[in-house]
Parts: sequence; C-alpha cells; structure tokens
Amino acid sequence: DAMVIQNPRYQVTQFGKPVTLSCSQTLNHNVMYWYQQKSSQAPKLLFHYYDKDFNNEADTPDNFQSRRPNTSFCFLDIRSPGLGDAAMYLCATSNRPFETQYFGPGTRLLVL
Amino acid sequence: QKEVEQDPGPLSVPEGAIVSLNCTYSNSAFQYFMWYRQYSRKGPELLMYTYSSGNKEDGRFTAQVDKSSKYISLFIRDSQPSDSATYLCAMSAREGFQKLVFGTGTRLLVSP
Repeated sequence: DAMVIQNPRYQVTQFGKPVTLSCSQTLNHNVMYWYQQKSSQAPKLLFHYYDKDFNNEADTPDNFQSRRPNTSFCFLDIRSPGLGDAAMYLCATSNRPFETQYFGPGTRLLVL
Repeated sequence: QKEVEQDPGPLSVPEGAIVSLNCTYSNSAFQYFMWYRQYSRKGPELLMYTYSSGNKEDGRFTAQVDKSSKYISLFIRDSQPSDSATYLCAMSAREGFQKLVFGTGTRLLVSP
C-alpha cells in the first residue's frame, strides 16, 4: 500500500542534543510537509518542499531545518532541542502544494 | 480571533447515536474543507474533502458546508466505539495558493 512512513515513532533526546526525524513516502508525491503538533493543539506547519524548492514558514524557529535528498525522503533536523520542542512531529505529502494532504503516523519527541 | 474555531470537547455519546461535529471560520476566502480523524498518538487520517457549499456523504459520514454562515459540520450516523478519536477540521482558500488552516480538534468518545 502506498503510504507515508515516519521513523522513529518515539524519540527521546537530551536538551541541546541534535536530533533528526525521518519521513519517507511511496505515494510519489511532489510535496512533503513537516508539522509540529502539541497536545490538544492544531498541527502547525513548519515548512514544506515542493520538489526541491524549500518553503519555510515565517514563524518557524531557526533551530528547525529540513533536508530532502530525493523525492521519497525528507528529514527534520532540530539543532538544539529545547524543552518546548517536545511535541508530535507529523510528516505529510500531497501531489501539488496544498492539495489534499496525507499524513504519516508521526514521531513523538521527548526532550529531557 | 482564530481563523478556525472548534470546540475541543470531549463529546461523549452512547453507541448508535448520531454525532454532530462543527467548525466555524472567519475567512470568507476558504473554499476547500476537510475533516481528519486522529486517533491517540497517531497521525491525522483524511475522512472527507469538500469544495464550496453543500453536502457530501460517504458511508456513515456526511460533511456539510454552509459558506453563508461560515460553518461546517461532520455528521456520524450509528456511531461506534471505534469512532472514538479527535476530529480536526481543516480548510484552505485555493488549491496551490493557501496553506491548510486546522481547527484544534474535537475529542469524541463513543461508549458501548
């Protein structure tokens, strides 16, 4: 089945220690998104890639970076995680920007 | 004022009940409306996608959009315990131009 896969499902890191979250997709979609979702809150878009074009949201902290080495994979790098970065990180894909988005299962990040 | 308002619940109903979930919005430019279901600690799953005003039915689910009132609804007939989840509404102004704006979600509990 075509799908969006996120690894790991749970990630524990230490305050200030860089961490990378991974997303892959078999849908062959052009666009990949990263969202941050905190408890009982709406998903918050961090950035998205349209093919190789990177689009950062204006209010996304510099601490968050992303890489998309090929169509199938996209990574979220958090350079110096703070306690406030503990959240669920959701990867999503769509065929074109802001068409129907399909989400992965998410990675829950805990910062100690 | 948030662009999209959604009652967080929880909404508790007995099995078999008809459930009504709602969102209001302030941006009259929104034309695309979606409902996502999110189980605890999982990613959102697209349930319904509608364009402009009107109704759309899929099995036990009916999505309704009233653009004149800036009000959208999701109805679930014959609710089941497996419907227990958080339901997120999301909307955008035009495909390819505007990002999705999510509500904070309504938590639904269906008891056997």
